Amino acid sequence: DQQVKQNSPSLSVQEGRISILNCDYTNSMFDYFLWYKKYPAEGPTFLISISSIKDKNEDGRFTVFLNKSAKHLSLHIVPSQPGDSAVYFCAPATQFGQGTRLTINP
Amino acid sequence: NAGVTQTPKFQVLKTGQSMTLQCAQDMNHEYMSWYRQDPGMGLRLIHYSVGAGITDQGEVPNGYNVSRSTTEDFPLRLLSAAPSQTSVYFCASSPGGLPQHFGDGTRLSIL
Repeated sequence: DQQVKQNSPSLSVQEGRISILNCDYTNSMFDYFLWYKKYPAEGPTFLISISSIKDKNEDGRFTVFLNKSAKHLSLHIVPSQPGDSAVYFCAPATQFGQGTRLTINP
Repeated sequence: NAGVTQTPKFQVLKTGQSMTLQCAQDMNHEYMSWYRQDPGMGLRLIHYSVGAGITDQGEVPNGYNVSRSTTEDFPLRLLSAAPSQTSVYFCASSPGGLPQHFGDGTRLSIL
């Protein structure tokens, strides 16, 4: 019973363009959502979070949007940079999605 | 500025052996947790602790034990290793209830 789904296993974006990573969840009781970035052979790194009382949170190039009625959140990265190439996990509370591998092409 | 330190980085065990995965943090965080990551999957919570002397089960606790005698350390014990426990294990800490700082993982193979 997967409560968190990241339906795109991979995403390829050109450098300088916008990257949009999506996440769907089923449990309406989730009230805090985190995004993590993970490089190979390293642990996840906390990126940005959003509370359920908000619908948007920005931190530099990263913006997270939350649509509670659709049980959907997304992470926008703009402009995308080569160093953004990594696996991104969304995590409502302590549940993790399967991850999306983002590749930024020069 | 060590953050969260996990040892060992790699380990190979035989079925039935026991071992302890070590995790230490130097940020005085109350909350610590253990996750496992299997290929193609997200991280799954094994056990967590909200402070010294307090531990609780996560999503996949069977086959694992934890203890929290100090704020700094949160070891994970495999009592009798099974091939299904082959995975990458991550320890995390945070000042609050959600993981923020992760170690670099222990890659464990059970033969």
